[in-house]
Amino acid sequence: DTGVSQNPRHKITKRGQNVTFRCDPISEHNRLYWYRQTLGQGPEFLTYFQNEAQLEKSRLLSDRFSAERPKGSFSTLEIQRTEQGDSAMYLCASSPPRGGQGANNYGYTFGSGTRLTVV
Amino acid sequence: GEDVEQSLFLSVREGDSSVINCTYTDSSSTYLYWYKQEPGAGLQLLTYIFSNMDMKQDQRLTVLLNKKDKHLSLRIADTQTGDSAIYFCAGTWDGTASKLTFGTGTRLQVTL
Repeated sequence: DTGVSQNPRHKITKRGQNVTFRCDPISEHNRLYWYRQTLGQGPEFLTYFQNEAQLEKSRLLSDRFSAERPKGSFSTLEIQRTEQGDSAMYLCASSPPRGGQGANNYGYTFGSGTRLTVV
Repeated sequence: GEDVEQSLFLSVREGDSSVINCTYTDSSSTYLYWYKQEPGAGLQLLTYIFSNMDMKQDQRLTVLLNKKDKHLSLRIADTQTGDSAIYFCAGTWDGTASKLTFGTGTRLQVTL
């Protein structure tokens, strides 16, 4: 178990460009979440998947954002036509199926995040 | 949506106890969590409590839940400089216990 892995760690892009981030969850976790965190704020929910199905999307997720989890394993988050307001830390988390064992079953394991800077 | 509030800053001396507070508006929480975030890092789960519990102790950490007042607290005993970080309370308030809603975070500063 290597934890939740996110790539890249940092991304600097020019306004108007497209960017894609990747998240590799803990292998036995069926749920995967994307959050966005701006400076001085708590993380805000963007979307989540159960296996390959995208079950919920926040109103924060505009049409320029799309997330996929094609085989129920890794996920990608793409932002098209980036804007300066998209600059933030993008966090991925995963959680196991409900009803399992272990103290962390009811928690969410977060990755280290991808810091996006749009210039 | 759910509102989760925390005080912004707390300063304590090394060796003292720290108490970080959190209030929320919706009483129908299922699970409540405390996360720690160090600079430039992701979120580390510290502890959690089910909504049908009043207290949980885990080594130096004590979580108290007052459902009537919709108040959650985290007490850190014998606070160390390594405890300096931002602490977030979070919970699930939807019926499927899926997405987390986070508080605004409390920055804990531990001084010598």
